Amino acid sequence: KQEVTQIPAALSVPEGENLVLNCSFTDSAIYNLQWFRQDPGKGLTSLLLIQSSQREQTSGRLNASLDKSSGRSTLYIAASQPGDSATYLCAADNYGQNFVFGPGTRLSVLP
Amino acid sequence: DTEVTQTPKHLVMGMTNKKSLKCEQHMGHRAMYWYKQKAKKPPELMFVYSYEKLSINESVPSRFSPECPNSSLLNLHLHALQPEDSALYLCASSHRVNTEAFFGQGTRLTVV
Repeated sequence: KQEVTQIPAALSVPEGENLVLNCSFTDSAIYNLQWFRQDPGKGLTSLLLIQSSQREQTSGRLNASLDKSSGRSTLYIAASQPGDSATYLCAADNYGQNFVFGPGTRLSVLP
Repeated sequence: DTEVTQTPKHLVMGMTNKKSLKCEQHMGHRAMYWYKQKAKKPPELMFVYSYEKLSINESVPSRFSPECPNSSLLNLHLHALQPEDSALYLCASSHRVNTEAFFGQGTRLTVV
């Protein structure tokens, strides 16, 4: 079964910094990897989906990359803002049937 | 419109009650999911419906009973729950299984 890990577990940075969140998965034969944002007590907001044939996706200040051979994905956030404070979750597909989530990175961006 | 709507937002129920959670999407998605999320933990998959048929049941206790009456609607029927079932229940949908998933805001369930 697919297993997903994320580091760091928590991150606190001053406003304006560029930062990188890491996601690792055990089964490299994935179809898709998706990054989400979750605010406390709320649902998940889809940020980016990377298909297995792609190496990266960009949306605004967010850039996600995928390296299937090494089982890794990174989420790059440029010029961080206090409004970016949330938990960021990556999810890798489990043999094409459903997504398995990592434990998340809790991000705090300080004004 | 990428909206998945869940009702109710909050639910408190006794261990002998029967209640239902509702999830609705109008994006034409044919895969729908129920996840359970405990505090400070990632979501855990409970059920997957594909084209209105149950395709995955992650060994969920029978006190949770899913139903997909049509392609837009997903229900989760609850009966004789335990206090440890208290959690945020999230519904999601996608065009088909394993494509980009969109989540609702969840139902915060408390079992007393």
